[in-house]
Amino acid sequence: KQEVTQIPAALSVPEGENLVLNCSFTDSAIYNLQWFRQDPGKGLTSLLLIQSSQREQTSGRLNASLDKSSGRSTLYIAASQPGDSATYLCAVASMEYGNKLVFGAGTILRVKS
Amino acid sequence: DAGVIQSPRHEVTEMGQEVTLRCKPISGHDYLFWYRQTMMRGLELLIYFNNNVPIDDSGMPEDRFSAKMPNASFSTLKIQPSEPRDSAVYFCASKGVQETQYFGPGTRLLVL
Repeated sequence: KQEVTQIPAALSVPEGENLVLNCSFTDSAIYNLQWFRQDPGKGLTSLLLIQSSQREQTSGRLNASLDKSSGRSTLYIAASQPGDSATYLCAVASMEYGNKLVFGAGTILRVKS
Repeated sequence: DAGVIQSPRHEVTEMGQEVTLRCKPISGHDYLFWYRQTMMRGLELLIYFNNNVPIDDSGMPEDRFSAKMPNASFSTLKIQPSEPRDSAVYFCASKGVQETQYFGPGTRLLVL
């Protein structure tokens, strides 16, 4: 059974700091891994999707890496801003489950101005 | 594109009442997913459809939950009878040929 773990559960940093969010998964037989952002009271917004054959994806100040063999992914946020404050969720599409995504519990990020 | 549309946005009901949540996926998307989010269990997939056909309903917690997709632009999730432990945020998401799922704003359900 695929399990997804995110560390840390919460993070508070001053504005301008570079930061890393971690995601680990137990079954390396995956199709892809996705990072989502969730603002309070809102739905999820897809940030980056990494296919199983890829090592990383970049979008603006965000960079996500994938090490499938070790079951790990990181989301790197450069020069953090207060507007980056949100919950970040990692989700894995496993070959076992097809189109179903298995989500981690999320990392609550607060960027202080 | 208006994105995934869900209604109502908030629902407060009493235990035992029937609750119907509605979703309109993004036009052209052939996958539709229903999720439930709670503090205790996080985000869980309840059921998903492909081309209006239910593919996997293994996440539906009990027979009190049912979902339908009568056409490509509309789906419902029904809870009958509702119980306080059903209180959660229910999300609908849709997906097209690409792998990214697009989520609606959610329905916040409170069962008293």
